[in-house]
Amino acid sequence: KAGVTQTPRYLIKTRGQQVTLSCSPISGHRSVSWYQQTPGQGLQFLFEYFSETQRNKGNFPGRFSGRQFSNSRSEMNVSTLELGDSALYLCASSLVTGEAFFGQGTRLTVV
Amino acid sequence: AQTVTQSQPEMSVQEAETVTLSCTYDTSENNYYLFWYKQPPSRQMILVIRQEAYKQQNATENRFSVNFQKAAKSFSLKISDSQLGDTAMYFCAFMKHNTGTASKLTFGTGTRLQVTL
Repeated sequence: KAGVTQTPRYLIKTRGQQVTLSCSPISGHRSVSWYQQTPGQGLQFLFEYFSETQRNKGNFPGRFSGRQFSNSRSEMNVSTLELGDSALYLCASSLVTGEAFFGQGTRLTVV
Repeated sequence: AQTVTQSQPEMSVQEAETVTLSCTYDTSENNYYLFWYKQPPSRQMILVIRQEAYKQQNATENRFSVNFQKAAKSFSLKISDSQLGDTAMYFCAFMKHNTGTASKLTFGTGTRLQVTL
């Protein structure tokens, strides 16, 4: 059974640009969550989607957005990138039992 | 809001020895899950063990076991017979139980565990 797949694995962007990250959950998982991991702030929840609906959102500015498609794949978008957006972005998919399985992450570097 | 506290930023243990990582949490919820995740240098977050709050029995997965004290809001991880491959960052995490659906994870700051020869 394939795990959670995140693409791309690494990304370098310039300040002011926008970026889209993709996450394909484990087959059958309908819940997808996104987390930002930085050395200073640790792991912070961004948002969660279930059946194409955003059910939960963390404390991030509106530049951070996401969506989920009918096949449960999810994308997150960050517009007007800032240096502080450099981070490891992790995606997790879940069954209703509340067990979250993570992808390998996308390492975003903003220069 | 929930908070998760890991008071040990770094720990070291010799191979084959036992080590315990501490975690405390604060919540007003009664139904929830607690997890320990491992993040090795590859950065992949790997689920180590999970505990449902309604279960009094402590969870065990091979060399990994927890000491869950619900009243004290404590959830420690014991690693027995430590192996070099256990070297990683360990995160304690809390998830509120939502009927029918999963919910967000609240993580602690992590404990960096180094297993030495």
